[in-house]
Amino acid sequence: EVQLLESGGGLVQPGGSLRLSCAASGFSFTTYGMSWVRQAPGKGLEWVSFISSNGGRTYYADSVEGRFTISRDNSNSTLYLQMSSLRDEDTAVYYCARESPPVRVVAYFDFWGQGALVTVSP
Amino acid sequence: DIQMTQSPSSLSASVGDRVIITCRASQTISTYLNWYQQRLGKAPKLLIYAASHLQTGIPSRFSGSGSGTDFTLTISSLQPEDFATYYCQQTYSNRLFTFGPGTTIDVK
Repeated sequence: EVQLLESGGGLVQPGGSLRLSCAASGFSFTTYGMSWVRQAPGKGLEWVSFISSNGGRTYYADSVEGRFTISRDNSNSTLYLQMSSLRDEDTAVYYCARESPPVRVVAYFDFWGQGALVTVSP
Repeated sequence: DIQMTQSPSSLSASVGDRVIITCRASQTISTYLNWYQQRLGKAPKLLIYAASHLQTGIPSRFSGSGSGTDFTLTISSLQPEDFATYYCQQTYSNRLFTFGPGTTIDVK
């Protein structure tokens, strides 16, 4: 059974830093690209960042470029999101999501974690 | 960037109703369009990928259609567990995978 379990959320002051983790199990982690998607309270979904299966390619939404860093440890099947220079508007539930297998022409997110709440407040 | 719109933003329906949600892209995206369901307080769940392909384990009352810029998600007979918010997502643009603003189905 595919499982994604986020951790590391919490309350942080504006300008602070936080690192989220996503522990993956039930599938070959090294085969799949992974993304972070966030959802501000009462709002819709926003894609944040992607990392390829071997970590060689990373992409970021404009809203977090230069402040967030995505990484992965394939030996431990764990995905990370290092967040710095946090702002009020970064307050959200952060989900990790597995991207569809590379053989698929159309990318989609087929499994999601339960989410980790990040609150940026003085 | 490709912008996604959905209509309606919300709708009220009853169990057994046929429900249709539309999604429109600001430019052509072929069939690079996915649909997700999000129940209150839960993570999103993939329903439909590549515009019309039903994800494994999803009931056949859900179906998707469309290509280019206009897409629809149809629920043929609404069930109690289907009251939720539905999001479309385009994955045509390179890594800027934008979501629509969502459509919430509530009880009439």
